[in-house]
Amino acid sequence: DARVTQTPRDKVTEMGQEVTMRCQPILGHNTVFWYRQTMMQGLELLAYFRNRAPLDDSGMPKDRFSAEMPDATLATLKIQPSEPRDSAVYFCASGLGLVGAGATDTQYFGPGTRLTVL
Amino acid sequence: GQQVMQIPQYQHVQEGEDFTTYCNSSTTLSNIQWYKQRPGGHPVFLIQLVKSGEVKKQKRLTFQFGEAKKNSSLHITATQTTDVGTYFCAPRGGGSYIPTFGRGTSLIVHP
Repeated sequence: DARVTQTPRDKVTEMGQEVTMRCQPILGHNTVFWYRQTMMQGLELLAYFRNRAPLDDSGMPKDRFSAEMPDATLATLKIQPSEPRDSAVYFCASGLGLVGAGATDTQYFGPGTRLTVL
Repeated sequence: GQQVMQIPQYQHVQEGEDFTTYCNSSTTLSNIQWYKQRPGGHPVFLIQLVKSGEVKKQKRLTFQFGEAKKNSSLHITATQTTDVGTYFCAPRGGGSYIPTFGRGTSLIVHP
């Protein structure tokens, strides 16, 4: 049963510290999404990769956030320096990258990383 | 990007009552997906609708896509406590690959 994995599951840190979140997409998937979920803003898209190339990171604060895919089995989201307003659940999702209106391109979400910045 | 409105934000029902959530877009959509997130969990794909006026059923869940492909609904018949969670629509349109998630409707079922 293939699943997206994320580490860590929970992270508590102090303001100003660097935070790195990791995601292992499902083997064979060529799209990766990073989302942030809060009560106030709901589910926000931060970054989108296709074949490891970043195609859209318009939703990501560029001054402190960065997203990369060092290889096909690893996606990372870094926050440096972290701030209390970054506290949220961060989800990674992967998909087959099917295109076309009729294609069912399901996004498979990981369990999320709950980040608390004090 | 497209504007998506999902209503209601919350819905309390007694077990056995029906439930409906609506997703409305300001632009014509190419398709729309629906996801469910249990409390403390992650979004899980339910279904995708593509054709104008399409209706799909999954047991007690009925999904509809509007004729104009600008709105969609999810209807649950005779809710059960296992239906508790937040239901998100994720429409896709304008040639964009990237879906836009609605704010979701949180369903609370009282036994």
